[in-house]
Amino acid sequence: NAGVTQTPKFRVLKTGQSMTLLCAQDMNHEYMYWYRQDPGMGLRLIHYSVGEGTTAKGEVPDGYNVSRLKKQNFLLGLESAAPSQTSVYFCASSYKQTPYEQYFGPGTRLTVT
Amino acid sequence: SQQGEEDPQALSIQEGENATMNCSYKTSINNLQWYRQNSGRGLVHLILIRSNEREKHSGRLRVTLDTSKKSSSLLITASRAADTASYFCATDPPVRDDKIIFGKGTRLHILP
Repeated sequence: NAGVTQTPKFRVLKTGQSMTLLCAQDMNHEYMYWYRQDPGMGLRLIHYSVGEGTTAKGEVPDGYNVSRLKKQNFLLGLESAAPSQTSVYFCASSYKQTPYEQYFGPGTRLTVT
Repeated sequence: SQQGEEDPQALSIQEGENATMNCSYKTSINNLQWYRQNSGRGLVHLILIRSNEREKHSGRLRVTLDTSKKSSSLLITASRAADTASYFCATDPPVRDDKIIFGKGTRLHILP
């Protein structure tokens, strides 16, 4: 039981490049989330999904897109990376909405130059 | 929009001492959760307290909730080096829109 996994762990992009971050969970959770963590800002929700085939915007969705084609996977895309998107990205999943706890992946450290 | 605010931002204590950190929030909540984040890792859930509960224990952790003051505290007793981490509170806002909101965290450093 791997829990929540994220790939890649590290990535450096040039401004304007695109990439996709993959999150996978093996706990059969309905809900999945993408957060970004910046120094002094805590975690901010980018997008989330309440089930296969669904997505919804969080607090800071601009510049990102997501897809949840399979229940176990949640993809985060950056179409045209900007230096402001330099951050650590965390994926999380939960059985259902609060009060169920969220399980977090190890994070992806992204640098955009 | 930040719902919870932890206090202090950083805390250093000697190993064996108790550590207390606080979380204040702005609007009514259904539940409040505490998470721990070790350096370079993802967050790990510690404990959840519901709005109708006043105190909850889990091992060396004690969480209190005062809904009249819109605040919660996390007490770690007999601290250990392994407790060095950041601690976040997370609240669910009054509108049930499937999200919880994390505070900015308290960085706890346990000195040997």
